[in-house]
Amino acid sequence: SYELTQPPSVSVSPGQTARITCSGDALPKQYAYWYQQKPGQAPVLVIYKDSERPSGIPERFSGSSSGTTVTLTISGVQAEDEADYYCQSADSSGTMGVFGGGTKLTVL
Amino acid sequence: EVQLVESGGGLVQPGRSLRLSCAASGFTFDDYAMHWVRQAPGKGLEWVSGISWNSGSIGYADSVKGRFTISRDNAKNSLYLQMNSLRAEDTALYYCAKDHYGDPRWYFDLWGRGTLVTVSS
Repeated sequence: SYELTQPPSVSVSPGQTARITCSGDALPKQYAYWYQQKPGQAPVLVIYKDSERPSGIPERFSGSSSGTTVTLTISGVQAEDEADYYCQSADSSGTMGVFGGGTKLTVL
Repeated sequence: EVQLVESGGGLVQPGRSLRLSCAASGFTFDDYAMHWVRQAPGKGLEWVSGISWNSGSIGYADSVKGRFTISRDNAKNSLYLQMNSLRAEDTALYYCAKDHYGDPRWYFDLWGRGTLVTVSS
């Protein structure tokens, strides 16, 4: 079955830039989405269609795509950004959804 | 208020069945595809199933295919998940999620708070 691969953890100091990658063979064909999940809360969409930011999401969140890898970038990380981040997309046929394993962002 | 509210979770024995419901409000339910996503305790998100606005397109994760059935009642603004032959590995918090489009495009712009399913003897 199709998989998306993320690093289990990323750590940065406040004010630095965090980059979280997500790799998958179908990413050149399918859009990627990014969700932020804080403990005890439902996921929140932070990036859609690879690089678009929903209204209400701070400008420090951005997304990019290159080949089979998409990247979530958080510039000027704040303590409140500490959370789990999941990439999500679909298989090459677009008939089955898939999430990456998640990345725990720690703000030191 | 735009929201999704799941219900129907609980403790169930292996091999038994359970039906989850998701009540939608604050938006035109029959314009959008809907999905179920689950999260086992301490684990990541897993897409379970999705259904288009008119039930014409339905998909399942391999892990639940043949055991779970998704359905919707647009007149009642409700989404359902019939879960049969439950296994311990189905234990999870089950979220209802709204797609941004009428057909499944994997763009979840609204989530419920989830309902917990525990499969144990």
